[in-house]
Order: sequence, then structure tokens, then C-alpha cells
Amino acid sequence: DAGVTQSPTHLIKTRGQQVTLRCSPKSGHDTVSWYQQALGQGPQFIFQYYEEEERQRGNFPDRFSGHQFPNYSSELNVNALLLGDSALYLCASSTGDSSYNEQFFGPGTRLTVL
Amino acid sequence: AQKVTQAQTEISVVEKEDVTLDCVYETRDTTYYLFWYKQPPSGELVFLIRRNSFDEQNEISGRYSWNFQKSTSSFNFTITASQVVDSAVYFCALRPEGGGADGLTFGKGTHLIIQP
Repeated sequence: DAGVTQSPTHLIKTRGQQVTLRCSPKSGHDTVSWYQQALGQGPQFIFQYYEEEERQRGNFPDRFSGHQFPNYSSELNVNALLLGDSALYLCASSTGDSSYNEQFFGPGTRLTVL
Repeated sequence: AQKVTQAQTEISVVEKEDVTLDCVYETRDTTYYLFWYKQPPSGELVFLIRRNSFDEQNEISGRYSWNFQKSTSSFNFTITASQVVDSAVYFCALRPEGGGADGLTFGKGTHLIIQP
């Protein structure tokens, strides 16, 4: 049973560029959440997708956008990259949109913005 | 708004010692869920426990135990007879019960170092 997978593992971009990160949820899961984890900090909630719609959003600018596909996989897009966007981006999957449900995390994508 | 505070940035103990990781939270919600996650150097967050705000029973799982005290808004985590494999960053997190889904609010984490 495959867990949550993310691609790519590492990514290096320059300021102003755009980036797309990908996530495949754990088998049987239909909800995907994205988190940004800066070095030495806890993860911060970006947004959550359920039934191909953004259900909830954290305190992130519109440069951060996402998408969920019919097979429940998801993409995180970041436009006009800033140095401060350098972080580990974590994807988590769960079933339904209940706050009770445990979220399973992927290994993350390490984004470096130069 | 929610807030989770893990005041201990780093803890270092010798193997076999007991160690407690502190977590204090703030929320205006009456129903919420508390979590502990472990993050080894590989980066993947590993779920350890979930606790409902109405369930103040302490829980023990092997060498791990959790003490939830609603009166002090604390959800502390104790590792008994620590092992080198317990070395990791541990995060406490909070998630309110809402009309929709809300993300987890994490603390800044406690880096636990178990020395052989």
C-alpha cells in the first residue's frame, strides 16, 4: 500500500520563476493538504483540497495556488518566487474533510530559491 | 486563531533516560483535536497520537505516554527509557472542529537528541 508520494524531491529555482509541485495521496484518501515548513520551524498550513475544490486556506498570498485532479492527486503552484519561499513543502492526505481524520504526510519537496 | 507553543527548542539526554516534551496550546474552539508528530531526518512527518478535546484520559503506548490537561491547556509527551532511534524533531499540533476542514496548527517543534 503506497503512502503519500511527492515529486520532485528537490528543486532549485531563481527569484521570479514559477514552480509546480506534485502529490499523490495515500490509496483510499480523497483529501490533500499542503504545508510549508521553513528551516527550524513547524509546518504552516497553505490550503486543502477536497472534491477538486479548495476548501480552506491558510495565511498565504495568491501567488500560491493549487489544483486537485479527479484521481485525487494534487499540484501546488507558486508564482513569482521569492527568496522566502525556500522551504520544505509537505503534502498530507486524509479521508473526507473532517478535522478528526488523521493526515498522512509525504516526504516533502525541498525548494531552494536563489 | 489557534496557537501551539513548544517552549523547548532542543533537549539532549543520555539513552535510557526518561524525557518529557511540553506542549501548550491556545484556542477559542470548544471542540478540537490535538496531535503529536515525529519528524526524523528524512523529513517525513510520522503520526504518533490524536486526542479529542473531550477525552482527557491519559494514554500509554509502549514507551510513549501522553498527559492531556485541559485546565492548563497542555498536552505533554513522555518517552520512557529513551533510545537513540527516538532522536528526531517532535511537533505538537492542534486542529479545531469546524464547519469545514481546517489545517493543522503546529508548534515550532522540539529537537530531541538521544546520546548513546
